[in-house]
Amino acid sequence: GAVVSQHPSWVICKSGTSVKIECRSLDFQATTMFWYRQFPKQSLMLMATSNEGSKATYEQGVEKDKFLINHASLTLSTLTVTSAHPEDSSFYICSAPPPSNQPQHFGDGTRLSIL
Amino acid sequence: GENVEQHPSTLSVQEGDSAVIKCTYSDSASNYFPWYKQELGKRPQLIIDIRSNVGEKKDQRIAVTLNKTAKHFSLHITETQPEDSAVYFCAASTNTGNQFYFGTGTSLTVIP
Repeated sequence: GAVVSQHPSWVICKSGTSVKIECRSLDFQATTMFWYRQFPKQSLMLMATSNEGSKATYEQGVEKDKFLINHASLTLSTLTVTSAHPEDSSFYICSAPPPSNQPQHFGDGTRLSIL
Repeated sequence: GENVEQHPSTLSVQEGDSAVIKCTYSDSASNYFPWYKQELGKRPQLIIDIRSNVGEKKDQRIAVTLNKTAKHFSLHITETQPEDSAVYFCAASTNTGNQFYFGTGTSLTVIP
């Protein structure tokens, strides 16, 4: 079946570092992908919708200059957390909807820890 | 935008009993309602979903009901087993291919 791959699975880095997370659809083309953030013991919060070939759509309260999204191809979206700080530490998960009205698939998530 | 509320936040049941989790949504345009199970540190896994043209759907021990008029939907797990212990999220969307708005989650514990 359709699979979404997310990389890396875990990142630990110093404050001020920029971190890039990749989300790939492995066997289908995704013109749209979604990025969610999940703090410990909380729900998944939609951050932005990544659109292939155009600008991402950000949810209210999400800083677009802080969380850069690039969807340059039909199988790859990237989320870059720029100048990350400890409060950015979270679990970031992407999802992509396959064609033909099938349920969405989530990536494995990326655990980001900023020291 | 869509607002999804979920209750209860925690639920403990004895093995073999039933568990019910309830969600409400605000956007009448929402027409797709998936339920996800998430184990600690892992991706959410779809367990069942329902579309707005259906009032109930069942898959073995899991069932979901939808009341469009009242804008609420529920997850029912019967004959619970310890491996059912996890966090469950409901979600609402205007389409399977659109963004999901998740409920706040229910931590289910099944006591052996």
